[in-house]
Amino acid sequence: GQNIDQPTEMTATEGAIVQINCTYQTSGFNGLFWYQQHAGEAPTFLSYNVLDGLEEKGRFSSFLSRSKGYSYLLLKELQMKDSASYLCAVRRGGGFKTIFGAGTRLFVKA
Amino acid sequence: DAEITQSPRHKITETGRQVTLACHQTWNHNNMFWYRQDLGHGLRLIHYSYGVQDTNKGEVSDGYSVSRSNTEDLPLTLESAASSQTSVYFCASGFDRGLGGEQYFGPGTRLTVT
Repeated sequence: GQNIDQPTEMTATEGAIVQINCTYQTSGFNGLFWYQQHAGEAPTFLSYNVLDGLEEKGRFSSFLSRSKGYSYLLLKELQMKDSASYLCAVRRGGGFKTIFGAGTRLFVKA
Repeated sequence: DAEITQSPRHKITETGRQVTLACHQTWNHNNMFWYRQDLGHGLRLIHYSYGVQDTNKGEVSDGYSVSRSNTEDLPLTLESAASSQTSVYFCASGFDRGLGGEQYFGPGTRLTVT
């Protein structure tokens, strides 16, 4: 089977750092994605990890530990526009089918 | 600029009617996907295609069908609409090479079945 867990909601303060965790259980793991989705809009691609370690891209970083079935998305210097849902997704097997978690709604307050 | 579009953006239909949602991409991507998004469930895969004449069932395919006659389009058909199919539908596309298969999403279609 497959299961992706992430917190339902998080709140953080503008200018701060927030870490959104994702744990997964799946056979044939072949990469983990993070997407951002603002309310009423489509998801947009943020990051991709297939090897263990940290990938940094500006204010956003994503970490993967395959042995622990664990990833996190780190957002630094939070801005109000970062208020959105963050979706963790896992690619399985040799194809490109991707399974999504339910998402974490992040609220950034002043 | 390349893009992915969906039409209609909003649709209200009655139970039992056949409905087709259009998806068109100009990225020249081989891979195309259809998802539905419901509160508490996140994105769930309905059908997907890896190229022309290729279609595959996702995790929630019952009551839906797709066809892929060209690279650009993957229409989603609800054979006989049910109230349980009220949802927001997203189409996505992606290459089968490069970074790892990230997907580019259309703006979504909000479907209400009454």
